[in-house]
Amino acid sequence: DTVLTQSPALAVSPGERVSISCRASEGVNSYMHWYQQKPGQQPKLLIYKASNLASGVPARFSGSGSGTDFTLTIDPVEADDTATYFCQQSWNDPPTFGGGTKLELK
Amino acid sequence: QVQLKESGPGLVQPSQTLSLTCTVSGFSLTSYNVHWVRQPPGKGLEWMGRMRYNGDTSYNSALKSRLSISRDTSKNQVFLKMNSLQTDDTGTYYCTRSQYRYKSWFAYWGQGTLVTVSS
Repeated sequence: DTVLTQSPALAVSPGERVSISCRASEGVNSYMHWYQQKPGQQPKLLIYKASNLASGVPARFSGSGSGTDFTLTIDPVEADDTATYFCQQSWNDPPTFGGGTKLELK
Repeated sequence: QVQLKESGPGLVQPSQTLSLTCTVSGFSLTSYNVHWVRQPPGKGLEWMGRMRYNGDTSYNSALKSRLSISRDTSKNQVFLKMNSLQTDDTGTYYCTRSQYRYKSWFAYWGQGTLVTVSS
């Protein structure tokens, strides 16, 4: 299975720019997607196919990358962005998720 | 609008079988794939398996021997059954719909149902 590796946690101040990385153990083309999950809630799709913003998601969120290295960027970060962010690939079967990056605000 | 809702027992005894139902609305099970994803408390997401639009199923190899997914299209329901439950099967179980039939992302999620495995 394709293993996705994310850094476990980040802390940033409101108004700053933050980049969350996801590295795949094998190529996934551009089929990397990003989700936001707040405590007690289901995951919410933010970005699909590496760089496409899901409906209703603020333009502060953006995604980039291809192959094995991908990045979710939030600029500027707002207090409401406190959450865990998961990457997920769908190029290789089975679909797999990264372990999640917990974003905390200073 | 697209909606998915999980239901089932909140508590299951060790070694018993878990049965969950995902009731969907706003789309047809014969047009879209529905997946099951679970999340242990405080941990990450694990894809469990899928029911394809055409009735085919696929399973996570780590769960395949214990897991079965089926559906009733007339009731707009997808079912999950997993046997031989252990304490590490405790977690929130989500059903989710992918946007497209192949190589797709999970566009819609149910609210999840918490399953606790305990005697």
